Amino acid sequence: AQSVTQLDSHVSVSEGTPVLLRCNYSSSYSPSLFWYVQHPNKGLQLLLKYTSAATLVKGINGFEAEFKKSETSFHLTKPSAHMSDAAEYFCVVSYSGGYQKVTFGTGTKLQVIP
Amino acid sequence: EAGVVQSPRYKIIEKKQPVAFWCNPISGHNTLYWYRQNLGQGPELLIRYENEEAVDDSQLPKDRFSAERLKGVDSTLKIQPAELGDSAVYLCASSGYSGTSTYNEQFFGPGTRLTVL
Repeated sequence: AQSVTQLDSHVSVSEGTPVLLRCNYSSSYSPSLFWYVQHPNKGLQLLLKYTSAATLVKGINGFEAEFKKSETSFHLTKPSAHMSDAAEYFCVVSYSGGYQKVTFGTGTKLQVIP
Repeated sequence: EAGVVQSPRYKIIEKKQPVAFWCNPISGHNTLYWYRQNLGQGPELLIRYENEEAVDDSQLPKDRFSAERLKGVDSTLKIQPAELGDSAVYLCASSGYSGTSTYNEQFFGPGTRLTVL
């Protein structure tokens, strides 16, 4: 069985300050982990992915995430928020074996205050 | 590469009417997913295909929902009859070995926003 928990449904930061979106996962297998972003009325876009290579993963638009097996976490960070980062972010867990079981978190809405 | 194509983008119907959504995945992607996303929530998997085979349809409400992927390429999701609670965005995604993409990275279409009145 697998699950993913996004600990915050809403996060609000000021422009230029750091962003931290938290994600914890549970998986019986070696997981693949992803962060997707969804801007209003737009499709889901992949930000970054972890697939058992380097534990610190760099994605698009300055985002990065660190896979911490001991903490079963995959938190998303960015050093300095930009207004265009305001969107909903989804953490996704999948296991890379056989048929892929994919589970989405419930999402974190990021608000960036000017 | 061309992305996942979905049509229509928007659909408004009366309850009890049928509705169908179409998805064309990225060329060469053997895995196709249909998700439903309710307002303010994350996508929930309805059905997953490996080529023509539906390998996970445990979350598909089979009394009114059906899906097909006859030739292992494009797919259709149908609801008959639609209910008020079916109002949502229906997302299609695909994954597979294709160029530089890794195996289980999913690429999403823009979705179809369904409103049932």
